[in-house]
Amino acid sequence: KNEVEQSPQNLTAQEGEFITINCSYSVGISALHWLQQHPGGGIVSLFMLSSGKKKHGRLIATINIQEKHSSLHITASHPRDSAVYICAVRSVETSGSRLTFGEGTQLTVNP
Amino acid sequence: GAGVSQSPSNKVTEKGKDVELRCDPISGHTALYWYRQRLGQGLEFLIYFQGNSAPDKSGLPSDRFSAERTGESVSTLTIQRTQQEDSAVYLCASSLGSPTEAFFGQGTRLTVV
Repeated sequence: KNEVEQSPQNLTAQEGEFITINCSYSVGISALHWLQQHPGGGIVSLFMLSSGKKKHGRLIATINIQEKHSSLHITASHPRDSAVYICAVRSVETSGSRLTFGEGTQLTVNP
Repeated sequence: GAGVSQSPSNKVTEKGKDVELRCDPISGHTALYWYRQRLGQGLEFLIYFQGNSAPDKSGLPSDRFSAERTGESVSTLTIQRTQQEDSAVYLCASSLGSPTEAFFGQGTRLTVV
């Protein structure tokens, strides 16, 4: 079992739909990151969370430390949101020296 | 520059040759990370530099891989005697420290033929 599990692996939505991507992890963490990887391979950091909730534009990220679970929500989705979304955690065991990544969620938003 | 810069963006090399990949982090970022992403797979940690501390090399897959960083500046990842399984996108990221938000470069796509 991977330390970081994402669901779903693939997600197709229609423009305007509300989207949720889930991430569960099995280790103690100091922080959790949500990353967006564009088709060309470039990676953008969307959020870094250690508790609670963060919002940036149409993106919302939440984390429940007790349940070891985080969600990334996209409101009013748009075709330009199509990308791979990756959850990554910093384990307290490694003193934050590395990120452990989920397998990613491929999101396709159709017009 | 404003972001993490990696060069070259693409590299095709013959099996057995050595390659050197470069990462120029955001100015002032003390932490620098190298990751690898093979085709169709997730990201793998390779190595982590934090200031002048000894680097965490625990992710390097073999002794053909090495990396250097002088102070808080440029880092180079060297792969000796490249093999076809080394073909991947090599990503560099930097951050102010750990744990803080990491900023990624565009990556170097390495193809070993």
